[in-house]
Amino acid sequence: DAMVIQNPRYQVTQFGKPVTLSCSQTLNHNVMYWYQQKSSQAPKLLFHYYDKDFNNEADTPDNFQSRRPNTSFCFLDIRSPGLGDAAMYLCATSRDPLAGGEQYFGPGTRLTVT
Amino acid sequence: AQSVTQLGSHVSVSEGALVLLRCNYSSSVPPYLFWYVQYPNQGLQLLLKYTTGATLVKGINGFEAEFKKSETSFHLTKPSAHMSDAAEYFCADSKVAGGFKTIFGAGTRLFVKA
Repeated sequence: DAMVIQNPRYQVTQFGKPVTLSCSQTLNHNVMYWYQQKSSQAPKLLFHYYDKDFNNEADTPDNFQSRRPNTSFCFLDIRSPGLGDAAMYLCATSRDPLAGGEQYFGPGTRLTVT
Repeated sequence: AQSVTQLGSHVSVSEGALVLLRCNYSSSVPPYLFWYVQYPNQGLQLLLKYTTGATLVKGINGFEAEFKKSETSFHLTKPSAHMSDAAEYFCADSKVAGGFKTIFGAGTRLFVKA
């Protein structure tokens, strides 16, 4: 089945220690998104790639970076995690947004910062 | 500014009772509306969507929603709740003036009592 895969599902890192979360998709979608979701809140968009075109949200901290080496993979790098970065990180994909905008989500990576 | 409002952060129903989750949108352009469901420690899953055409849309797991332009609403209903429906539900609009960006509501947690 075509899907969005996130690894790892659970990640524990130390305060200030860089961490990378990965996402892969078999849907061949143009757009890949990274969201941060804290407990009992809606997902908050960090950034997205439309093909190779990177689009950062204005309020995304510089501590968060992303890479998309090819259509299938996208990475979220947190350069110096703080306690406030503990959250669920969701990757999602969509076809060309002009086609309707529905997104396909991965299962998420729950990040703990100690 | 464009927004999606979900009335009621928590809704509790008895098993077998009607489920009604409320969503109102505010937009200067015709919206593309979605309902997503999120189970604990999982990503979001699309329940149903409205873009154009028939205003009553049916989704998975027996859910449906009706787009009412005059009321700027897109409420989600299910005639008979099941214990497995207990989850977080997000209403979203993916069409903004000048492009596409998904605006999520704050979410409604549905509790189902035996």
